[in-house]
Amino acid sequence: GAVVSQHPSRVICKSGTSVKIECRSLDFQATTMFWYRQFPKQSLMLMATSNEGSKATYEQGVEKDKFLINHASLTLSTLTVTSAHPEDSSFYICSARPRGGANTGELFFGEGSRLTVL
Amino acid sequence: AQSVTQPDIHITVSEGASLELRCNYSYGATPYLFWYVQSPGQGLQLLLKYFSGDTLVQGIKGFEAEFKRSQSSFNLRKPSVHWSEAAEYFCAVGAMDTGRRALTFGSGTRLQVQP
Repeated sequence: GAVVSQHPSRVICKSGTSVKIECRSLDFQATTMFWYRQFPKQSLMLMATSNEGSKATYEQGVEKDKFLINHASLTLSTLTVTSAHPEDSSFYICSARPRGGANTGELFFGEGSRLTVL
Repeated sequence: AQSVTQPDIHITVSEGASLELRCNYSYGATPYLFWYVQSPGQGLQLLLKYFSGDTLVQGIKGFEAEFKRSQSSFNLRKPSVHWSEAAEYFCAVGAMDTGRRALTFGSGTRLQVQP
């Protein structure tokens, strides 16, 4: 149980285009999803917290107009990188916390999406 | 705010040798603590977690970790390492006071296993 799926796993796009990454909780509902970014050989940095039915909360330094997050349902959150540039190339990982039940703080992670902007 | 320090960026051990990866955290209350492993280009897999009870936690694949409040540490151990366990290991801390916060990750320790 507690599977989180991301799609696409890899995407290459041209500079200036927009890319959407989906994060789905397959067998549980998640009121809260988190989006992380990971540069090569570095740790995961939290970008934003996505709350179902409300606006996302962005971390300091993350441009909300560039990284659009939508959490339209209890099983789906999307991250759209708008007008992508080469410096946006990175590994993006989503995670979700199951709704209800014992709260152990554990997050379940997607497989990650590698974005390459040419 | 919580923070995590993994002092060792890179560790190399021989196959079959024991392993200890260090993790120190900073948090005002009792934290949730986690160890995740990441293979190249992959997502994160949970090895083990601590949130209450016995301070020695057993995880998957023979890993264990011990929560030491006095030292603010949560070191990961394994008695015998297999070559396939070469990967990046992340320690993470979560806040117990609310379940809505994200985890904060350490910088990671890259494990190499020599044959």
